[in-house]
Amino acid sequence: AQSVTQPDIHITVSEGASLELRCNYSYGATPYLFWYVQSPGQGLQLLLKYFSGDTLVQGIKGFEAEFKRSQSSFNLRKPSVHWSDAAEYFCAVGAEAGKSTFGDGTTLTVKP
Amino acid sequence: DTAVSQTPKYLVTQMGNDKSIKCEQNLGHDTMYWYKQDSKKFLKIMFSYNNKELIINETVPNRFSPKSPDKAHLNLHINSLELGDSAVYFCASSPIGGLNTGELFFGEGSRLTVL
Repeated sequence: AQSVTQPDIHITVSEGASLELRCNYSYGATPYLFWYVQSPGQGLQLLLKYFSGDTLVQGIKGFEAEFKRSQSSFNLRKPSVHWSDAAEYFCAVGAEAGKSTFGDGTTLTVKP
Repeated sequence: DTAVSQTPKYLVTQMGNDKSIKCEQNLGHDTMYWYKQDSKKFLKIMFSYNNKELIINETVPNRFSPKSPDKAHLNLHINSLELGDSAVYFCASSPIGGLNTGELFFGEGSRLTVL
């Protein structure tokens, strides 16, 4: 069965600082990997996705993620965080029939 | 134009009541889902429909009954509401295009509070 681990429950960074959110997955085949962001009171919005090909993927809002098969990781990065990036971030692995499994989320707080 | 829309956005009700949440998507997707997000923000899939046919039914009490009148709509009816049903319920859809990768498009959620 597939699983996703987000080791960091809560991360605080200063505005303008760089960010890395960790995600580790367990899946038997080549995974489809996603990062979603949830702003307070909102639904989840897709930030970026990895299906195949280039292991460094670019997303919206200046985010990128790197797929590392050897480490079973798909970490999310942003070089300079903005106050509006404060939100909940979910890593997910997709599978056949669309049964995605989500990590438990990482709450990002941005200090002024 | 909202891609995945849910109504109502907020629901406050008493234990034992029956309530429904409606969902509509205008993306032309074949597959729709209901997810439950608890107070700790954990997301769990409840149901999935592909073109009106139930394809995923996780371990959910029988009090929860999804209905899909057509592939653009997926409603959730909950009977005999319990305190533990309090959560945010998200509707989502995904394209299939021959291979469903699990990429999801979410509605804004319906916050259910059972008193």
